[in-house]
Amino acid sequence: SAVISQKPSRDICQRGTSLTIQCQVDSQVTMMFWYRQQPGQSLTLIATANQGSEATYESGFVIDKFPISRPNLTFSTLTVSNMSPEDSSIYLCSVEVRRGAYEQYFGPGTRLTVT
Amino acid sequence: GQNIDQPTEMTATEGAIVQINCTYQTSGFNGLFWYQQHAGEAPTFLSYNVLDGLEEKGRFSSFLSRSKGYSYLLLKELQMKDSASYLCAVNTGGFKTIFGAGTRLFVKA
Repeated sequence: SAVISQKPSRDICQRGTSLTIQCQVDSQVTMMFWYRQQPGQSLTLIATANQGSEATYESGFVIDKFPISRPNLTFSTLTVSNMSPEDSSIYLCSVEVRRGAYEQYFGPGTRLTVT
Repeated sequence: GQNIDQPTEMTATEGAIVQINCTYQTSGFNGLFWYQQHAGEAPTFLSYNVLDGLEEKGRFSSFLSRSKGYSYLLLKELQMKDSASYLCAVNTGGFKTIFGAGTRLFVKA
C-alpha cells in the first residue's frame, strides 16, 4: 500500500486568493493524480502529474487555474488560483501502485471553503 | 459519452448480504474499481476487476461482465461500520478513471 498525507487538511479562503495544497507519499510513485469532490458528488479527475514533465489536465481544467508541481517521485502540489466560491470542494491526491495487482490510493483530502 | 450508473441509496440489515450494482458505458475500458468512502474521509480501495468473473476478498466480492458493461459489489455479513458510500469507477485507458456518483449504504441493526 501507499500512505499519503496532505496539507492543509482544511482551509477557509477569501475570493480572489490562491491556495497551494501539498501531497506527500511514503514511497516513490510514477504517477500522481489530483481529484476534486464537490459536496454530495463523486470524484472528478483534475490532472495527472508525472515527475519531470508537465501535468496533463482533463477537460474543463486549465493550468492557469490549477497549476501543479511534481518536483520528485514522492511529492506534488496543486494550487487553486484566483478562487471563487465555486471552487469550494474537497481536493484529493491519489497514486497508483502496481505490485502484481493494480491498486489506487487516496490521500485524506483538503477541504476548501471559499467565501 | 461516458456514463456510470449505480443506485443512489440502499438499506440493509446487520448480518445480511447486500449487492450494489454498477453499469457503465465508456469509450474505453481498462479495469473497474470499487471504493468505500465514509463521510468526511477519503475513498478506500476495495477491488479492481479487469477480467470477467468474481474476485473475492474476505467479506467483499466484486464481479465483472465486460460484455454487459456490468459489475456488482457483494458485501456479506454486514456490519454497522459498513455504512458508507460505495463508488464504482472505470479506468478508460491511460490514467483516466471515471467515477460513478456513489451508492450510500445504510446498515441498520
